[in-house]
Amino acid sequence: GAVVSQHPSWVICKSGTSVKIECRSLDFQATTMFWYRQFPKQSLMLMATSNEGSKATYEQGVEKDKFLINHASLTLSTLTVTSAHPEDSSFYICSARGGDKQFFGPGTRLTVL
Amino acid sequence: EDQVTQSPEALRLQEGESSSLNCSYTVSGLRGLFWYRQDPGKGPEFLFTLYSAGEEKEKERLKATLTKKESFLHITAPKPEDSATYLCAVRVSNDYKLSFGAGTTVTVRA
Repeated sequence: GAVVSQHPSWVICKSGTSVKIECRSLDFQATTMFWYRQFPKQSLMLMATSNEGSKATYEQGVEKDKFLINHASLTLSTLTVTSAHPEDSSFYICSARGGDKQFFGPGTRLTVL
Repeated sequence: EDQVTQSPEALRLQEGESSSLNCSYTVSGLRGLFWYRQDPGKGPEFLFTLYSAGEEKEKERLKATLTKKESFLHITAPKPEDSATYLCAVRVSNDYKLSFGAGTTVTVRA
């Protein structure tokens, strides 16, 4: 149980384009999902908290207009990186809250050329 | 400011050589300490949650303990498949957010 999927697993895009990443809880409902980014050999940095049916809460320093989050249902949250630039290249990981635990997806590797 | 510090940064073990990883924390009001395992290029996998000092949890060759200032993850007689980065995280608020340490990368040689 407590399986979380992400799609796509990797994406390469040109600078200036937008990329959407999906996060799904497959066997449980999640009113809260979280989005993280992870740079090589570094730990997870929380970007935002996504609550079903309401606006996301962003961490300090994260541009809400650049990283658009939508949590339209109890099993799906999406992160859209708008007008991506090379510095946005990173490993993006989502998690879904089940009880007091967070269950993580497999991550999405974004490379912006 | 809440802080989570893991040590050592890297640990190289021979198969069967038991060792411990440390996670020290400075937080106001711990509501849970979490251990995760992360393999390269993948998302973290949940291992344990500890809530109060003195609590212990075990799973196969792993055992997690908690004091008021730190947590230890003991690896008993490790195997090569235990090679991974082990992450420690703390929850201090009602909104279920986690603050992660930098991780300890464990390499177990056969």
